[in-house]
Amino acid sequence: GAGVSQSPRYKVAKRGQDVALRCDPISGHVSLFWYQQALGQGPEFLTYFQNEAQLDKSGLPSDRFFAERPEGSVSTLKIQRTQQEDSAVYLCASSLPGGLTDTQYFGPGTRLTVL
Amino acid sequence: AQSVTQLDSHVSVSEGTPVLLRCNYSSSYSPSLFWYVQHPNKGLQLLLKYTSAATLVKGINGFEAEFKKSETSFHLTKPSAHMSDAAEYFCVVSPLTGGGNKLTFGTGTQLKVEL
Repeated sequence: GAGVSQSPRYKVAKRGQDVALRCDPISGHVSLFWYQQALGQGPEFLTYFQNEAQLDKSGLPSDRFFAERPEGSVSTLKIQRTQQEDSAVYLCASSLPGGLTDTQYFGPGTRLTVL
Repeated sequence: AQSVTQLDSHVSVSEGTPVLLRCNYSSSYSPSLFWYVQHPNKGLQLLLKYTSAATLVKGINGFEAEFKKSETSFHLTKPSAHMSDAAEYFCVVSPLTGGGNKLTFGTGTQLKVEL
């Protein structure tokens, strides 16, 4: 079946613009995660949803970052008034909770460049 | 709190020789440990995971890792490297709980395989 998909794959924004990044999880996956991967670094956790409920947003770096998953499937990560330090790859992952450690399946990411 | 340290940022091996990628973890509770691989322009792929069962974990593509609590290590090995193994490898830790498992990534090890 289809894996996690993300769109757009590449986004260039001018400083101050708002952007919206989309994630389509694997069908039926209850949990959805967003991570930020800066150049040369490992991914860092941003936020987590279980169905439509955002259960953890401790990793969001500022109030300019906002994520939603209104119907418990597709999720959107929105960044307002983008800054150069927001340039990174944004990764989405989904999982099907059912055990102690649920494998997270990652999408290809959206590479955001803020000029 | 939890963290992982990948001791080498770059590893270079010849095709057909063994691979060793080192990882040490720190966790205040029983951890789950993972190795993920990231090929250029592709999503992160799970190689293997440790979840408190057998300490020697076998993964895909001939990789394996051994959980050593006394050494707080989870090194990744492969007996014979193949050109297709060239990629970035991430050691990852997560609390051993159900659902909402926030992953904490290391900084990555870039594996180069030479002829």
